[in-house]
Amino acid sequence: RKEVEQDPGPFNVPEGATVAFNCTYSNSASQSFFWYRQDCRKEPKLLMSVYSSGNEDGRFTAQLNRASQYISLLIRDSKLSDSATYLCVVTPGKMNYGGATNKLIFGTGTLLAVQP
Amino acid sequence: DTAVSQTPKYLVTQMGNDKSIKCEQNLGHDTMYWYKQDSKKFLKIMFSYNNKELIINETVPNRFSPKSPDKAHLNLHINSLELGDSAVYFCASSQDPKFGNTGELFFGEGSRLTVL
Repeated sequence: RKEVEQDPGPFNVPEGATVAFNCTYSNSASQSFFWYRQDCRKEPKLLMSVYSSGNEDGRFTAQLNRASQYISLLIRDSKLSDSATYLCVVTPGKMNYGGATNKLIFGTGTLLAVQP
Repeated sequence: DTAVSQTPKYLVTQMGNDKSIKCEQNLGHDTMYWYKQDSKKFLKIMFSYNNKELIINETVPNRFSPKSPDKAHLNLHINSLELGDSAVYFCASSQDPKFGNTGELFFGEGSRLTVL
């Protein structure tokens, strides 16, 4: 079983739509969770961290369910510029100074294509 | 003023050759990484250095040898290149958790290696 699993998509949605991505992780010891965004032929960039209580950043809402080892990302009012691959990311443990648990484990990503 | 820069951006070479990729970060981070993204877009950690010390080595073949002359630089040398080494290699850096690390990795633009 992969450490982080995502539906690869593609998700083709019209502008203005609401779209949700899901992700599951296998390591119950994982402590930190993130969503990264990667544009075509570009480097990944942090979109947002995911907190236990859920968090929102503008049109983006992230949720974490530790019991089910499940993370979600909701995008409201999709824009053309949201078209990208969304990567679910976890750490294998608690992040600490110079520690081996600081590595980020990436899912294979979900491709979103927002259509005009 | 690029935060994480890596060179070269493109490498095309023959099987059996040796090649190097260089990376530099001007963010003052203590930790640097090499990630490999294969043709299926799976992004996987290879190595991590903290203050020039190797802390993560993810069962990468011995043909891959990282080197960190100082905490701002992390290079990757690959001997006897194989077809399966074709991928995009991303360098990244991060702040340490004691400084309130959000888990954000800052990636370079990637070095696209093609082995013929």
